[in-house]
Amino acid sequence: AQKVTQAQTEISVVEKEDVTLDCVYETRDTTYYLFWYKQPPSGELVFLIRRNSFDEQNEISGRYSWNFQKSTSSFNFTITASQVVDSAVYFCALSEAGGAQKLVFGQGTRLTINP
Amino acid sequence: DTEVTQTPKHLVMGMTNKKSLKCEQHMGHRAMYWYKQKAKKPPELMFVYSYEKLSINESVPSRFSPECPNSSLLNLHLHALQPEDSALYLCASSQGRDPSYEQYFGPGTRLTVT
Repeated sequence: AQKVTQAQTEISVVEKEDVTLDCVYETRDTTYYLFWYKQPPSGELVFLIRRNSFDEQNEISGRYSWNFQKSTSSFNFTITASQVVDSAVYFCALSEAGGAQKLVFGQGTRLTINP
Repeated sequence: DTEVTQTPKHLVMGMTNKKSLKCEQHMGHRAMYWYKQKAKKPPELMFVYSYEKLSINESVPSRFSPECPNSSLLNLHLHALQPEDSALYLCASSQGRDPSYEQYFGPGTRLTVT
């Protein structure tokens, strides 16, 4: 069965620090998809990125970067030069090609950026 | 436009009331979802509609009744709820039923059952 583990429950850093959110997943499928979502205090989950299991290329989008490593079943998310607006709960999620539209979330990491 | 709207934003209801949550998207998406999220927990899938047909029911109690009147609308009818049903109810949509599609979420309805 698919599983996503975000071991870091809460992280607190000072503005402008770099921070990495860890995500480890388990799946038996050879084809699967990994996602990161951001949930600010307003409640809406905001889609950040999708990665498929065949594409291990790392991605950078502004201050955000993602490191996908199949060898360690990890899909980590780094925020460079963090800002107060980055404060939110971040969820890593997994869906399997044979998983019938089910998106399985990790427990989430609450990130607080202090001014 | 990647917007999913939900109404109402907040709802307080008694255990004998009947109420409905509404979700709408105009992105042409053919799959829509209901999730329940308790405080400090991840969203839990409740129902999935694909091409206006119920494709997944995650063993949700019958006091929750979903409805998909058309491809843009998704309702969740509530009846005889329990206090433990108090939660944030999130609606989402995706382009289709393929698990590779990202889901777009609405802001949620915060439900309190008294």
